[in-house]
Amino acid sequence: IVLTQSPGTLSLSPGERATLSCRGSQSISSTYLAWYQQKPGQAPRLLIYGTSSRATGIPDRFSGSGSETDLDFTLTISRLEPGDSAVYYCQHYGGSPLITFGPGTRLEIK
Amino acid sequence: QVQLQESGPGLVKPSQTLSLTCSVSGVSISSGGFFWNWIRQSPGKGLEWIGYIDHRGTTDYSPSLRSRVTMSVDTAKNQFSLKLSSVTAADTAVYFCARESYDTLTAYFYGLDVWGQGTTVTVSS
Repeated sequence: IVLTQSPGTLSLSPGERATLSCRGSQSISSTYLAWYQQKPGQAPRLLIYGTSSRATGIPDRFSGSGSETDLDFTLTISRLEPGDSAVYYCQHYGGSPLITFGPGTRLEIK
Repeated sequence: QVQLQESGPGLVKPSQTLSLTCSVSGVSISSGGFFWNWIRQSPGKGLEWIGYIDHRGTTDYSPSLRSRVTMSVDTAKNQFSLKLSSVTAADTAVYFCARESYDTLTAYFYGLDVWGQGTTVTVSS
């Protein structure tokens, strides 16, 4: 399964809402779709697992959605803050290789 | 809290073997419900999964690296390790270890929920 993410770069202002898309080349189980945030020089941080479940400590400004019938999954970040500037990756578990990542969306808060 | 820490040489010569260790604290590697992963990120690039090992030593490797990868686990030291043979400049990357949590009854995947800070490995003569 190949994951594609769009847009490649997103530039928004504080307080706005960001919508990031992840699409699979074939059907993806919603159980096995996760999202990560990576800031420069840091390891990725788990935001969302199982398409829509927030990881421990993740604020409710971050939400995930999508369905197995679509090939599209979405990460929505509301009320953007300057600290949300990062690269966001979607990730799928299952298939070969077992874990695949999308190429990432760079979010810039100007 | 659970912490992972990578260690190993920062510089490896071409054709040699890259060896890294991930030390785990705050949880026993022998606990069920976890896979222990290696993931790398080439300079300016995205994330590439290398493989995982569980506490019994069961492994799964990325097909693209399978012929060169060996992972092992030392439950007594609470560590797991990565060996990547015949390295080239293309293997230059930041290498992360990460814990993958899952439900042992349902196999539900809870994501890669704990990551090490990463260690930079450069392949150069």
